[in-house]
Amino acid sequence: GAVVSQHPSRVICKSGTSVKIECRSLDFQATTMFWYRQFPKKSLMLMATSNEGSKATYEQGVEKDKFLINHASLTLSTLTVTSAHPEDSSFYICSARDLAGELFFGEGSRLTVL
Amino acid sequence: GESVGLHLPTLSVQEGDNSIINCAYSNSASDYFIWYKQESGKGPQFIIDIRSNMDKRQGQRVTVLLNKTVKHLSLQIAATQPGDSAVYFCAENPFSGTYKYIFGTGTRLKVLA
Repeated sequence: GAVVSQHPSRVICKSGTSVKIECRSLDFQATTMFWYRQFPKKSLMLMATSNEGSKATYEQGVEKDKFLINHASLTLSTLTVTSAHPEDSSFYICSARDLAGELFFGEGSRLTVL
Repeated sequence: GESVGLHLPTLSVQEGDNSIINCAYSNSASDYFIWYKQESGKGPQFIIDIRSNMDKRQGQRVTVLLNKTVKHLSLQIAATQPGDSAVYFCAENPFSGTYKYIFGTGTRLKVLA
């Protein structure tokens, strides 16, 4: 089946620094990717829809200047957490939609901000 | 607002027994539903889906039932195995034409040996 890869799988950073997380569709082209945030023992919360070649669409309450999303190619979307703080610590998951409309999830990236 | 919720946060089942995980949704406009399995520290895995024009769909060892009258979705796992231990989420798509899903709160399934 289709594979979506996220990198890094784990990252620890200091407060105030920025962290970039990559989401790649390895064997298919994804015009649309989605970024989710998941707190411990909680469900996935959709943060934004990433569209190739255009600006991301953010969900209500998600700061677009805080969570920068870039979808520069049909196989890569990046999420940059800017000026990270401890409350940004979370599990970030991406998903990608193939041309048939099927959705595939990445393995997630755990961010810990000290 | 619209929400998808699960009745039981944790379900413990004896190995070999059948498991039933329930989900209630509130948006009658939702036309597509998916069950996902998430193992610890990993991303969600697709299990089975169902469209609103169906009330039952079967896969390998899994069956999804949809009751639109009471807005209820269930996932049945036959002959539950230790490898089935995970958190299960239902997700609905109330935004027809998009792929934006609303996820339920999740149920942890524990398979007892």
